[in-house]
Amino acid sequence: AQSVTQLDSQVPVFEEAPVELRCNYSSSVSVYLFWYVQYPNQGLQLLLKYLSGSTLVKGINGFEAEFNKSQTSFHLRKPSVHISDTAEYFCAVSELDAGNMLTFGGGTRLMVKP
Amino acid sequence: DSGVTQTPKHLITATGQRVTLRCSPRSGDLSVYWYQQSLDQGLQFLIQYYNGEERAKGNILERFSAQQFPDLHSELNLSSLELGDSALYFCASSPRLGGLSEAFFGQGTRLTVV
Repeated sequence: AQSVTQLDSQVPVFEEAPVELRCNYSSSVSVYLFWYVQYPNQGLQLLLKYLSGSTLVKGINGFEAEFNKSQTSFHLRKPSVHISDTAEYFCAVSELDAGNMLTFGGGTRLMVKP
Repeated sequence: DSGVTQTPKHLITATGQRVTLRCSPRSGDLSVYWYQQSLDQGLQFLIQYYNGEERAKGNILERFSAQQFPDLHSELNLSSLELGDSALYFCASSPRLGGLSEAFFGQGTRLTVV
């Protein structure tokens, strides 16, 4: 069975500072990896995804993530955050042979302060 | 706008009642997924339908059921509601059976059981 751990439930950061949201996963098979963002009172929006190929994945809104197979991690980064990045961020995994189910981490609340 | 439409957006009902949540997938998408987001359980996969047939089941209670109709819209039926069923229920759709990499989420239905 697969599982996802987001190591920080909350990350406070000042505007224009860099940020890293950490995600580790566990699976016995190859996986697809995703980061979703949920703004207040809204649905889930896909930020980026890793399916195969280059381990550095670029997404929307200036976010990027790096897949590290040996450390089973998929950390999300942004070099300079804005107030508008304040939201809940979810890491998710899907096993390639299943392909039917996303397993989500517990979420990380990013709080950008002026 | 993801193209996935969920109705209603908000629903308040009493314990013991039954409700139906509706999801219209993006045009052309054959797969529909239902997820529950609650404070204590986080985001959990409930069930998946593909072209009218159930294809995968997650942590869905026996009091809950779903179906996908010939026009591909899906309904999630929740019965004998309990306070703990209060949650945000998301629907997602994708073009293919194993198409999670192309899945888009709706805005969700917020269910409050009083």
